[in-house]
Amino acid sequence: RKEVEQDPGPFNVPEGATVAFNCTYSNSASQSFFWYRQDCRKEPKLLMSVYSSGNEDGRFTAQLNRASQYISLLIRDSKLSDSATYLCVVKRWNQGGKLIFGQGTELSVKP
Amino acid sequence: GAVVSQHPSWVICKSGTSVKIECRSLDFQATTMFWYRQFPKQSLMLMATSNEGSKATYEQGVEKDKFLINHASLTLSTLTVTSAHPEDSSFYICSARERLAGRSSYNEQFFGPGTRLTVL
Repeated sequence: RKEVEQDPGPFNVPEGATVAFNCTYSNSASQSFFWYRQDCRKEPKLLMSVYSSGNEDGRFTAQLNRASQYISLLIRDSKLSDSATYLCVVKRWNQGGKLIFGQGTELSVKP
Repeated sequence: GAVVSQHPSWVICKSGTSVKIECRSLDFQATTMFWYRQFPKQSLMLMATSNEGSKATYEQGVEKDKFLINHASLTLSTLTVTSAHPEDSSFYICSARERLAGRSSYNEQFFGPGTRLTVL
């Protein structure tokens, strides 16, 4: 079983739609959580950190449920420019800050 | 700020040759650099962690004699793929973590733009 699991998609949605991505992680020692965005043939870029209290950044809302070992990302009012692969990432502080990446969920926003 | 560069951005080579990839932190000092590999439609996989002035720590299953890592300064790490074969064709990405006071593992990693290696 992969340590970080995501639905690979692709998710094809129209502009303006709300879309939700889910992620589960298997190691309870994972200590920090993030969503990254990766465009085709580019490096991943940090989108936002994820906290148990939930956090919002504009149209993006992230949530962490430690008990269920579950992370989510909600994108409201999707834009064409949101088309990318969204990577769920966990970080292990006690292993030198090692990042464990999920496979990524591909999003395609259509006009 | 926090810019990481990689060179070359892409390389095509013949089977059996060695390829060196450079990773540089341009505007900060990086105590630690990480090397990842990403195959198509797959996640980034950490290959090794390199700390300036010491030997790299390789992840399980990564051959240290095939993937040579050197981190000789606080702004430069190199990955050399020795005797490359077609199965080594992949997207190689480095990241660098800034040298700040306190527990460094808390600090953000900044990613380079990646190097696409194709071995014929």
